Amino acid sequence: GQNIDQPTEMTATEGAIVQINCTYQTSGFNGLFWYQQHAGEAPTFLSYNVLDGLEEKGRFSSFLSRSKGYSYLLLKELQMKDSASYLCAVRDINQGGKLIFGQGTELSVKP
Amino acid sequence: EPEVTQTPSHQVTQMGQEVILRCVPISNHLYFYWYRQILGQKVEFLVSFYNNEISEKSEIFDDQFSVERPDGSNFTLKIRSTKLEDSAMYFCASILDRDNQPQHFGDGTRLSIL
Repeated sequence: GQNIDQPTEMTATEGAIVQINCTYQTSGFNGLFWYQQHAGEAPTFLSYNVLDGLEEKGRFSSFLSRSKGYSYLLLKELQMKDSASYLCAVRDINQGGKLIFGQGTELSVKP
Repeated sequence: EPEVTQTPSHQVTQMGQEVILRCVPISNHLYFYWYRQILGQKVEFLVSFYNNEISEKSEIFDDQFSVERPDGSNFTLKIRSTKLEDSAMYFCASILDRDNQPQHFGDGTRLSIL
């Protein structure tokens, strides 16, 4: 089966750093993706990992450990506009390469 | 930067009616997807499409659903006889290389079934 877990919600302060964790169990793995989704809008791509290690893109970084089935998204220098839902998604290795999404973590950034 | 475009942005339909949601994927992309997101719930995979045929579909994608690529640009999702529980945001996504790139999502169609 396939299961992706991430915290339901988190709160952080403007200017701070926040880490959003994601654990997964899948029958076939071909990459882990992080998307940002503001209410009523489409998911927008942030970062992805296929191999173990850290990928850095500006204020956003994502880490993957395939042996542990674990990833995190790190957001630095938080801004109010970072308040959104952050979606962890695993790409299935089979067939069409569908994405399997977690429930999302609702991040609230406070002044 | 090229985008996936979806129309309409909002569709209101009576239960039992047919609805067609339209997507124009990024022009050189080869793999196409439909996902849906019921309000307050997670994004769910519906169907993937490659080389003019369905490559995978989920349990949600029953006989009431169909997809088509009628020409070189459009990718459509049809729901034959809508139900109240079909009310959701529907997202189209496309990708050039299935294994090495992220999927790019359109802005979505909000489908409301009355």
